[in-house]
Order: sequence, then structure tokens, then C-alpha cells
Amino acid sequence: DQQVKQNSPSLSVQEGRISILNCDYTNSMFDYFLWYKKYPAEGPTFLISISSIKDKNEDGRFTVFLNKSAKHLSLHIVPSQPGDSAVYFCAASLSFGNEKLTFGTGTRLTIIP
Amino acid sequence: EADIYQTPRYLVIGTGKKITLECSQTMGHDKMYWYQQDPGMELHLIHYSYGVNSTEKGDLSSESTVSRIRTEHFPLTLESARPSHTSQYLCASKLSQGLSSPLHFGNGTRLTVT
Repeated sequence: DQQVKQNSPSLSVQEGRISILNCDYTNSMFDYFLWYKKYPAEGPTFLISISSIKDKNEDGRFTVFLNKSAKHLSLHIVPSQPGDSAVYFCAASLSFGNEKLTFGTGTRLTIIP
Repeated sequence: EADIYQTPRYLVIGTGKKITLECSQTMGHDKMYWYQQDPGMELHLIHYSYGVNSTEKGDLSSESTVSRIRTEHFPLTLESARPSHTSQYLCASKLSQGLSSPLHFGNGTRLTVT
């Protein structure tokens, strides 16, 4: 039973445009969400996170939006750059103290120059 | 940049062999984790540790075992490798500062059992 779902295995976006990566979750108890980025032959690196008490968190070109009623979050990258080409994983965690992450299957983002 | 190291990066080994995947971190993190990932699939937690002499099973059942004798070292051992163990194994660590402290991952070990 997959609790965190990324239904788009791949996405191609023109350089300079906005990339939108989506993530859905089924466990309403999740209250902390993270995005990780992974290049080939490397481990995932932390990108941005959001707590369930917020609906938006922004860090430079990256913004994460959380819609708790829809159990949906999205990562916006604008403007998209060639170095953003990677696999992006959505992850979720239960409340404070339980720090195990549940990951999605990832979305491969390709930025077209 | 996180300082967490995994060796070997790639390992091809025959069925029945005993293997140990090494993971070390130099950041003084008390929490350490092992994740397993098959291509195109999510990362599954197989083991974690809250500190020295602490080891717990993760969400995905695994025939591997771990030990945590030193803070910086969290090796994973397979006593008898099988083709079903072929996967990528990712080690991670974090500070005990709650959810706001993100996981730092190593570059992984890609294991192939023939």
C-alpha cells in the first residue's frame, strides 16, 4: 500500500519555464513533507520542506504548496534551469518524534535547453 | 555539504557470499538509517538507529542486519547474499533536532548478486 504517490514518472520542461511536480498522500496523519533531488549515481539531497501548519514554503526558485484537504503537495521550480534535471522524490513523515520518512517513487525532470 | 560515505559504490558478488556494506559519517549525527531502492521505485526504510547500541527494523522486512558500535559507523551485513538482494542501498543520517533536521544521504552502494 503506497502511502505517498508521484503519478508522473517523468516530466520535460523548457528552460526558463515553470516546472510543477506533484505528489499525493493517503495517510492524513502525515504532517511534515519534504522534497529531495537525486542525480544519477548520487544519493538524494534535501531540497525543501513544509510543515502541515503551512500551505506554502518558498526558498529561492523553489516553492512547495500543501493542500491538506486534498492530501496533495506540489513543488514549483521557476525559472527552470538545465541543472534542475534530476529525479525528484516527495517524502512524508508523521508527527514530531517519529522521524521515519515515507518516500514516493520519484519524478524524473528533464529541462530542455 | 554532508559528509557521509558509503563503500563500496558498486559490488557484484555470487550467491551465498557474506557481505558488509560500510557507512560512515563525520558530522556527529546520532540518528542513522539504511534505505533500499529498486529502479523506479520508492526508497524503503530497512534499518535505523537512534544512537550507539540502538538498532531497529524498518518498514520493509530485510534479511540484512546492522550494528552501531560507534556513533559514526553503521554497517549493514548480509550473511548469505541472494539474487533477490540485488538493489541499491542508501545510508543516511541526521541530527536529533526533530523533523526540521533533514536526512543527509550517502551516494549509495549498488549491489548485484549473481
